[in-house]
Amino acid sequence: EADIYQTPRYLVIGTGKKITLECSQTMGHDKMYWYQQDPGMELHLIHYSYGVNSTEKGDLSSESTVSRIRTEHFPLTLESARPSHTSQYLCASSTPETYGYTFGSGTRLTVV
Amino acid sequence: RKEVEQDPGPFNVPEGATVAFNCTYSNSASQSFFWYRQDCRKEPKLLMSVYSSGNEDGRFTAQLNRASQYISLLIRDSKLSDSATYLCGGYNAGNMLTFGGGTRLMVKP
Repeated sequence: EADIYQTPRYLVIGTGKKITLECSQTMGHDKMYWYQQDPGMELHLIHYSYGVNSTEKGDLSSESTVSRIRTEHFPLTLESARPSHTSQYLCASSTPETYGYTFGSGTRLTVV
Repeated sequence: RKEVEQDPGPFNVPEGATVAFNCTYSNSASQSFFWYRQDCRKEPKLLMSVYSSGNEDGRFTAQLNRASQYISLLIRDSKLSDSATYLCGGYNAGNMLTFGGGTRLMVKP
């Protein structure tokens, strides 16, 4: 039923590795977002995009980078993972204001 | 002051009770508000949209009070399955949906 997909669902990786978290949506939404959320804590916006070739940093400083080469695809990359990057990463997309955001099922990242 | 604020709770209520949460917002120009439900370690899922006239869906009623700048969520006849964190969201001046920290609800048998 989900129209926004995130892979992998879970990832355990060693310190220093490069990782890319994938996010794709089939709804044709122009706007896409990445949030970081620790267990029991609030959502923090780390990146967003208003469309192809548009990327902006969010409210929470993050060492990750994003790209938006295609409307449906908004991957997030960590060049060198650290234990402090351990968290849940949620991707979302939206169109007009009246419809809110649709979230993917998230990637739970653990860096050891 | 945060753009959207919620009481983190937890609200502990017995099954069958009526419970209400409020959420205050700072952007008086915002037209659209939303309630999301988030289960532990899951993604937020849209529960209800809230516009000027409020919204009702079964046991759930959401209302908007523009004068006092808050939205509310009322849950009637609480079920064990209603236990979750409820997030409210409103658009800020930068046209971004901003979320509160969430209110945790625990419904007890």
